[in-house]
Amino acid sequence: EVQLVQSGAEVKKPGESLKISCKGSGYSFTSYWIGWVRQMPGKGLEWMGIIYPGDSDTRYSPSFQGQVTISADKSISTAYLQWSSLKASDTAMYYCARHSLPAATLDYWGQGTLVTVSS
Amino acid sequence: SSELTQDPAVSVALGQTVRITCQGDSLRSYYASWYQQKPGQAPVLVIYGKNNRPSGIPDRFSGSSSGNTASLTITGAQAEDEADYYCNSRDSSGNHLGVVFGGGTKLTVL
Repeated sequence: EVQLVQSGAEVKKPGESLKISCKGSGYSFTSYWIGWVRQMPGKGLEWMGIIYPGDSDTRYSPSFQGQVTISADKSISTAYLQWSSLKASDTAMYYCARHSLPAATLDYWGQGTLVTVSS
Repeated sequence: SSELTQDPAVSVALGQTVRITCQGDSLRSYYASWYQQKPGQAPVLVIYGKNNRPSGIPDRFSGSSSGNTASLTITGAQAEDEADYYCNSRDSSGNHLGVVFGGGTKLTVL
């Protein structure tokens, strides 16, 4: 059974750094792109970027390029989303999802990680 | 980046048929995928490709496409189908491997 299990909710202050995780199981982690989707409170889904754990090839949405870093450790089947300096506007639910290309079908999703940034 | 446009809200009477649409230039090149999201839950894939349902998705959900418009049809809507529905596809505007989502449609079952 394919599963993506994300790390728990985080409460941070503006300016702090953060790294959240997404651990895949039940499939060949290095053979599928895995990406991140943001959902701000009461809003829609926004695609942030993806990584191919097999070779660490990473692509970002222009809206998120330079704002976050996506990485992966294939030895432990885990993808990461990282901020170096959080802002209040980063408050959102973040989902990881396995991508099946070429049509960009997000066929399996993590349960979500709620990130709250508040002073 | 390219955009996908959805109606913000749609309603359907219990047991009737409803169509949710998604428009965008990228749909001329790529199939849309559709996701159902209920309050407090992660999205779930319901339709992908030409008209494929993942295991466990009821056959009352179907998909179709014509030109720049993709559609999700629910035939015989049930109360449990009340949710937000999102479409997505590849971004065809030049962002290699980019992905784009529609704004979402809130489905109310009356």
